[in-house]
Formats: sequence, C-alpha cells, structure tokens
Amino acid sequence: AQSVTQPDARVTVSEGASLQLRCKYSYSGTPYLFWYVQYPRQGLQLLLKYYSGDPVVQGVNGFEAEFSKSNSSFHLRKASVHWSDSAVYFCVLNRDSNNRIFFGDGTQLVVKP
Amino acid sequence: GALVYQYPRRTICKSGTSMRMECQAVGFQATSVAWYRQSPQKTFELIALSTVNSAIKYEQNFTQEKFPISHPNLSFSSMTVLNAYLEDRGLYLCGARDSSQNTLYFGAGTRLSVL
Repeated sequence: AQSVTQPDARVTVSEGASLQLRCKYSYSGTPYLFWYVQYPRQGLQLLLKYYSGDPVVQGVNGFEAEFSKSNSSFHLRKASVHWSDSAVYFCVLNRDSNNRIFFGDGTQLVVKP
Repeated sequence: GALVYQYPRRTICKSGTSMRMECQAVGFQATSVAWYRQSPQKTFELIALSTVNSAIKYEQNFTQEKFPISHPNLSFSSMTVLNAYLEDRGLYLCGARDSSQNTLYFGAGTRLSVL
C-alpha cells in the first residue's frame, strides 16, 4: 500500500478562490508530515511541516495544513490563491527511524486568471 | 536560514560518459543526505541514503558502481553518474536532513541530459 496518497493529480481553481489539496497517509505511529512545492524547472521548496501539537500548522505564502490522525490526512489549504501559486505540490511522510521518507505523486495546481 | 545548494543546475553529457553533481548544505548540519531522481512523470525514486560515518544504503535498481556517492562531512555530498545513458536522464535532487529540526531541505536539482 502506498504510504502517501494524493488523490488529485490536477486541481484547477480561479485566482482568488480558496484551495484544498488532499493528502492521505498510511502509518500507525506518529508521522512527520511535510508539504513541498515545486515550481517549473526548479527543485522542492518546503511549505510547512507537522510533528506534533496544534494540528493546524502555518506555512509560507499563506498556506496552512491540518493534521487529522483519525482521518490519516494532512490536507493543504489556502484562503485565496494567486496565479503564482501554480506549481506541483508534494505531500511527504517521514515515518521510519532510518530517515526514509515517502513522497506522494504530487498534485498539479493550475490557477486560472 | 537553512539552504541547500546543488550544482550544476543543468548538464549535458555524451552517452557513455560520466558526470558529477554536488550538494552543499548551508546553515545546518546535514547528518544524512538522500539522492533522488525525479522522472518526467514527476514521481521520485530514492537512489541512496547517506549518513555521515555510516555505510551508504542504495535502493534496489541503484548501485554504488553506477552512482558512487561521497559524503565526507556534515555540509557536503556528491554523486557521480557513471557511464550515463538515455535512461539516466532526469532531475536529480539532493535532500539534506537537518536532524535538529527533523526536516529535509532540498536543493534546486541537477537536470541531466544525455546525448
């Protein structure tokens, strides 16, 4: 079973609209979860991370994510997207003590002007 | 802040030749470095995980003979693609772990093209 699932390969929203990118993980213990963004022809940039505590974590550029243990989810949200948010977003899980991490397949976000 | 520099950003090599890429961690100690290759479909393959003072662990389908890695200290790692062929094309990403923050920081990647 895939450790991290991003069920939406592509999401299209209008500029100014709200956004949710979904992420589900598979792990019985306490996960370390991350969201990264990849702009065209670039590497990965860290948006936010969750270890413990408040399940809603704030990231850069107005992004936030909410951890739900009961739903095994870590969905990314933004209240109002900008055209520059168009990129591929990756949900990442760190669950092993040997530092292995697991990537979701990514969600392509397209923001229409 | 924590940054990872990766270079070169792009490289082209002739089929059968080799190329070396480097990864520099700035602002933190990179206790482990993971090298990934991203396919055109955007999925990531872990090539190997290198932890300072430990043996480098290669994933299935990747070998030290093909992708030798050096991780001599807490700020630097390099990987060479030996005898590159078309199937080795892609974006190679270096992920350096800041163990104090339990966070993985990535470089911008080295895009390898093979002629």
